[in-house]
Amino acid sequence: AQSVSQHNHHVILSEAASLELGCNYSYGGTVNLFWYVQYPGQHLQLLLKYFSGDPLVKGIKGFEAEFIKSKFSFNLRKPSVQWSDTAEYFCAVKPNTGNQFYFGTGTSLTVIP
Amino acid sequence: DTGVSQDPRHKITKRGQNVTFRCDPISEHNRLYWYRQTLGQGPEFLTYFQNEAQLEKSRLLSDRFSAERPKGSFSTLEIQRTEQGDSAMYLCASFRGADSYEQYFGPGTRLTVT
Repeated sequence: AQSVSQHNHHVILSEAASLELGCNYSYGGTVNLFWYVQYPGQHLQLLLKYFSGDPLVKGIKGFEAEFIKSKFSFNLRKPSVQWSDTAEYFCAVKPNTGNQFYFGTGTSLTVIP
Repeated sequence: DTGVSQDPRHKITKRGQNVTFRCDPISEHNRLYWYRQTLGQGPEFLTYFQNEAQLEKSRLLSDRFSAERPKGSFSTLEIQRTEQGDSAMYLCASFRGADSYEQYFGPGTRLTVT
């Protein structure tokens, strides 16, 4: 069965620190990859996505992610976090076959001012 | 507000009762998903519609769950004979087409089964 692993369940950082959140998936075929964010009290919203091409993708609010096919990974990064980045972050994978999206369990990020 | 809306936002029901939730997607979005999310987990796929056709349903989904999307607009998710294990947040998401897959999520319906 397809699975998505987010190994960091809860991350606490000080403002201006760099962020990297891990995401690994188990599907062996072609996939589309996503990071979603859920700010406190708000809906899930898309941060960035990868379909094909340049494996380094840039999203909103200074986030970026790198797809490393050989490692089945799609890690999220931000060079300098802000207090407003405090949120829950979810990695999601959609295999090219079928219509299902598979989400990770999420990483809760707390940024301390 | 032109986003995805869900109704009700909260539902408390007794075990054994039936409940129905509604999702109104963004108007030009022909693809619609239902998910279930429990505490500490990510959204779990329940079912998928393209226009009015239900094209995929989770194999883990009990027969007590059914969903419809008449006329390809709003969608309903019904749970019959609710159980305590059905307590969760039920999320709806929509998007325009296969070239995007950028899902827009609604606020969810939180179901509590007592």
